[in-house]
Amino acid sequence: QVQLQQWGAGLLKPSEPLSLTCAVYNGSFNNYYWSWIRQPPGKGLEWIGEINHRGSPNYNPSFKSRVTLLVDTSKKQVSLKLRFVTAADTAVYYCAKGGAHDPFEVWGQGTVVTVSS
Amino acid sequence: DIQMTQSPSSLSASVGDRVTITCQANQDITNYLNWYQQKPGQAPKFLIYAASNLETGVPSRFSGSGSGAHFTLTISSLQPEDIGTYYCQQYDNLPYTFGQGTKLELK
Repeated sequence: QVQLQQWGAGLLKPSEPLSLTCAVYNGSFNNYYWSWIRQPPGKGLEWIGEINHRGSPNYNPSFKSRVTLLVDTSKKQVSLKLRFVTAADTAVYYCAKGGAHDPFEVWGQGTVVTVSS
Repeated sequence: DIQMTQSPSSLSASVGDRVTITCQANQDITNYLNWYQQKPGQAPKFLIYAASNLETGVPSRFSGSGSGAHFTLTISSLQPEDIGTYYCQQYDNLPYTFGQGTKLELK
């Protein structure tokens, strides 16, 4: 069973970059898309973007100017970088196996990111 | 973006009740609709794909139906472990979008 382990800085100041990494264990990395999804406190889920093992990303236009997704196939890792964060970016960020019309069938444990001065 | 609207936003039911949650898209999404369950403090769990196909290991009391723009998630006999928030998600068009969630509580 695929497992996802994610990590990254949890406390940021406004305008700093957000950087999170997600590692894939116990399963195939290639032939799938990997997505990032976030959930502000007490709110619903918002899809940020997806990337495959070839490094081909698709982004939510709401984030497109600030977000970059990267992949390291040798380490079976995907990473999320979000520039110029504000308090509105405070959320739990999840990586998930899925995208490209596949369901988000496996999720990481989530990383709480707080943006505060 | 495709807008997904769930109803009700919250629901209180008793053990053994039949529970139905609806999800409406603002355009035809064929059957490109998934359902997730989220318990407090946990990541969402994938339940149903393509509107009506149960993920392996999901109890058979869960079922999904619908096509076009109107979908339902039904729990035939509510169990205490079913408490949580349920989300629908469309994958017909990018960006993928979720409903706002339906919080299911025990009466």
